[in-house]
Order: sequence, then structure tokens, then C-alpha cells
Amino acid sequence: DVKVTQSSRYLVKRTGEKVFLECVQDMDHENMFWYRQDPGLGLRLIYFSYDVKMKEKGDIPEGYSVSREKKERFSLILESASTNQTSMYLCASSFFGHVYGYTFGSGTRLTVV
Amino acid sequence: TQLLEQSPQFLSIQEGENLTVYCNSSSVFSSLQWYRQEPGEGPVLLVTVVTGGEVKKLKRLTFQFGDARKDSSLHITAAQPGDTGLYLCAGARGQGGKLIFGQGTELSVKP
Repeated sequence: DVKVTQSSRYLVKRTGEKVFLECVQDMDHENMFWYRQDPGLGLRLIYFSYDVKMKEKGDIPEGYSVSREKKERFSLILESASTNQTSMYLCASSFFGHVYGYTFGSGTRLTVV
Repeated sequence: TQLLEQSPQFLSIQEGENLTVYCNSSSVFSSLQWYRQEPGEGPVLLVTVVTGGEVKKLKRLTFQFGDARKDSSLHITAAQPGDTGLYLCAGARGQGGKLIFGQGTELSVKP
């Protein structure tokens, strides 16, 4: 069964900590995405990547960075966690092209205290 | 700026009723997708529509893409409690596959 795996379902971190969220896909997808989901705001794109070593900013990149050293892995990094980064983080992957749907991971619920 | 507006945001209906969810934008999209999300899980793709005016059916769900590729609708016939969930529309900009999501419609179907 094809899937996208996020390393943690729940995380609690302290303000100022550096946080790593890992995402791995087994479908040989070119595209990988990181979104955050907040009530009433839908999914907002943080960063995306169309290829290994490639990354582009989404709509809300401030406070985040990403790394894609291998095709199957896309990491989201919170350089110095803040309380306003408390959210559900969703990783997704797809083939390159606008007709292809995303496969999402189950999400990581991050709480920054 | 919300490029995709979904309405209604919340919908609570009885089993057996029909409903329509709307997804509207002033922008043209290369394609549009609908997802369904259950609590604690990631969204799951329901359908992709590509051509203006396209209609796709998935059992009791009917999806339509507007002629100008700026809007879409999801119609559910004879809703069942298993249809309960968050429905998200998402429009593709450009050719690569980046999606812009609407804020979602929370559907509750009561037995």
C-alpha cells in the first residue's frame, strides 16, 4: 500500500527549540509539499519541492526551512519554535503535473509551549 | 488572501437529504481537486476535474468544474452518516502541481 509517512503524530516542544518534522514517501513522486492546517484557514502551503535539492517558498515560509537531500524524504525545520507555530502539519507528495492528486501523510500535531 | 472560497463552511443535515458545496474563485485554475478528510487523518483525494464544464460522478457524489475553470461544486445525493467529514477543494496553478486549498466545508450527517 503506497503511503506518505510522517515521523510523529504528536509533538510538544518548548519555545525557542529547533524542531524537525520528517516526511518519507514510497511512491517515487517528484513533488513534495508541507502544509499547515488551522481551523477556518484551510491548508496553507509552507514550502514545496519539485525535485531533489530543489525547494521553493510557499505562501507562509517565515520561520520555516526545508531540506530535500533524497527524493523520498522532505524535512521541515522550525528554526526557533514559537507558540504561533502550534498547528497540524501535513506532508504530501505527488507526481509532477497539475492533473495528479496528492497523497497526504496522517499529519503531525505540534504544540509549542 | 483566500483565493478559493468554499461555502458553506458548516453543514449539518439529516440522513437522506441532498446537499451542495461550492468552491469559487476569481482566478482560473489548470485543474481542480476535491478531498475528504476525517478527524486525525490527512485528506484523501476524491476526484480531479480538468476540462471546463466537466462533470464526474463517484457513486452518490457529483463534481462539476465551471465552464471558465474558476469554480466547482460537489453535490451529494441522499447523504449518509459515513459522508461526515471535512471536504476541501483545491485548485492547481501552473503545470507543476502546486495546489491552493479552500478553507473547507465541515459536513455532519445525522442518522
